[in-house]
Amino acid sequence: GENVEQHPSTLSVQEGDSAVIKCTYSDSASNYFPWYKQELGKRPQLIIDIRSNVGEKKDQRIAVTLNKTAKHFSLHITETQPEDSAVYFCAAKADFGNEKLTFGTGTRLTIIP
Amino acid sequence: EAQVTQNPRYLITVTGKKLTVTCSQNMNHEYMSWYRQDPGLGLRQIYYSMNVEVTDKGDVPEGYKVSRKEKRNFPLILESPSPNQTSLYFCASRFTDSGNSPLHFGNGTRLTVT
Repeated sequence: GENVEQHPSTLSVQEGDSAVIKCTYSDSASNYFPWYKQELGKRPQLIIDIRSNVGEKKDQRIAVTLNKTAKHFSLHITETQPEDSAVYFCAAKADFGNEKLTFGTGTRLTIIP
Repeated sequence: EAQVTQNPRYLITVTGKKLTVTCSQNMNHEYMSWYRQDPGLGLRQIYYSMNVEVTDKGDVPEGYKVSRKEKRNFPLILESPSPNQTSLYFCASRFTDSGNSPLHFGNGTRLTVT
């Protein structure tokens, strides 16, 4: 089955700096890679996703890049703000016949004011 | 409001006392799933359902049961809870389509088994 590794497990950055979280996956059939943000005491919520036919996707201060050859994808947050503090999870899903999302172990991001 | 509703939010029980955590969604989603979240382990899938009367094991199904008699409901049953099932549980749902529609999570159920 799919295995998703996520690094780092914790990350602290100064407000205004950039943050990068990296994930690798094992199943070459995976073609959908979402990122979820979980604020303290709340549910995970989708913030951005990317499909295997796209190398990069941006949404304001958030971007995700995908390297299918190397089987890794990354989340980039620029101009970080205190409200970016949360746990971030990457995930991967194989082809359409298998609906299972496999999650990484999460990254606790802390923005230092 | 479109949502996934779990109950209860918090539950403290004793070893061996059967319990059920309910999950209901109002978005007409075919796919529903249960995850448990533990520190350092992320979100691990317990069971999932592709549609009514269709369920299958996830990565950590031992000690759990599910049922999918109706499209909107997907209860999680612990027949004989043990302390290692103390965890934060999330129900989630989505459409099964070729567009990879997003997974919607419930608010979570924090279960403590003593």
